[in-house]
Amino acid sequence: DGGITQSPKYLFRKEGQNVTLSCEQNLNHDAMYWYRQDPGQGLRLIYYSQIVNDFQKGDIAEGYSVSREKKESFPLTVTSAQKNPTAFYLCASGEDVGTYEQYFGPGTRLTVT
Amino acid sequence: GQNIDQPTEMTATEGAIVQINCTYQTSGFNGLFWYQQHAGEAPTFLSYNVLDGLEEKGRFSSFLSRSKGYSYLLLKELQMKDSASYLCAVSAPGGYQKVTFGTGTKLQVIP
Repeated sequence: DGGITQSPKYLFRKEGQNVTLSCEQNLNHDAMYWYRQDPGQGLRLIYYSQIVNDFQKGDIAEGYSVSREKKESFPLTVTSAQKNPTAFYLCASGEDVGTYEQYFGPGTRLTVT
Repeated sequence: GQNIDQPTEMTATEGAIVQINCTYQTSGFNGLFWYQQHAGEAPTFLSYNVLDGLEEKGRFSSFLSRSKGYSYLLLKELQMKDSASYLCAVSAPGGYQKVTFGTGTKLQVIP
């Protein structure tokens, strides 16, 4: 089955620790995205990548880092520099042509205390 | 800049019809998405409108007026499982297909 996976579903960390969220897709999509969702707010773009070995900052990239070494994988690291890391993180992939529909993974709920 | 407005919450009765409105002001416009998101889950694609007019897909229809910066999602024959948040999102040119999401409309379907 084609799809996009994120793990784990729930993640707990202590303040000051870096944490990496995984995102894998087997849809053969070139474009991949990371969003953050907070209560009462829309999805906000953190980073996106249109092709392997290339990625760009989104609207709220500070305190986050990514890599895109393989087409299938786009991990997100939440660093200790991110002031409010507790949130629901969504990874998406999509074609860069046509309808530009984005397919979302199930999300990771990160709690930092 | 990009600005998307939609009502925060709506309530409708099972079996009825509900219309969720979305207005937008964006720098450039390629198309408008509607996504459905159940609580704690990922958004799922419902529709993508590029041209003016109504597009029907089963119980769901989506309308777009580019000149008015306006769209609506129409849900017919409401079912309890339609209780979810509905996200309006606009795609605009910007080096990549930049998609800006609204805050979503939380729809509650009651018996």
